[in-house]
Amino acid sequence: ETGVTQSPTHLIKTRGQQVTLRCSSQSGHNTVSWYQQALGQGPQFIFQYYREEENGRGNFPPRFSGLQFPNYSSELNVNALELDDSALYLCASSLDPGQGRSPLHFGNGTRLTVT
Amino acid sequence: AQSVTQLGSHVSVSEGALVLLRCNYSSSVPPYLFWYVQYPNQGLQLLLKYTSAATLVKGINGFEAEFKKSETSFHLTKPSAHMSDAAEYFCAVSIIQGAQKLVFGQGTRLTINP
Repeated sequence: ETGVTQSPTHLIKTRGQQVTLRCSSQSGHNTVSWYQQALGQGPQFIFQYYREEENGRGNFPPRFSGLQFPNYSSELNVNALELDDSALYLCASSLDPGQGRSPLHFGNGTRLTVT
Repeated sequence: AQSVTQLGSHVSVSEGALVLLRCNYSSSVPPYLFWYVQYPNQGLQLLLKYTSAATLVKGINGFEAEFKKSETSFHLTKPSAHMSDAAEYFCAVSIIQGAQKLVFGQGTRLTINP
């Protein structure tokens, strides 16, 4: 069973640039969620994709956007990067989010630094 | 609104001692609760979950947690700490708002003293 994989592992960008982060979900999972974890904080929910549709979003501006592909892999795009976007971005996959009891399986994250 | 509070941002115990990490939740409905562990420069690994079956939940690496509705708590314990347990631990509650999202506590950093 292949776990959740994310790429790249580290990334350095300049303020105002755009970035794309990628995630391959665990085999058999149809749901992908993205979280932002600032240094010393717990992860914060960005959004979730279920069967290629965004089905929920946290308190993040529209410059954070995403996609889910037919093979359930996903991308997180961030436009007009700001210094405060520097964080660890975590992707998590799960199965059937409707009841809330499914555990999320996380990847190792992408460390984004904005200078 | 559903939330979790982890009491103690840092906990230090001696190797072989009892580990107790505290988590209290706030929820208007029966909650689904999770504990995750994060090692340096890694993602989150699921330790255990409570999904309204047995109130005492056993997880990986010898950890367990007890759901106490009367105390709105879901504390994590391990009878005997090992050096490899040093990590950041997060308690989370699952919320359904269209999507399933996890609301995490601030985390507790566990240090093991030799």
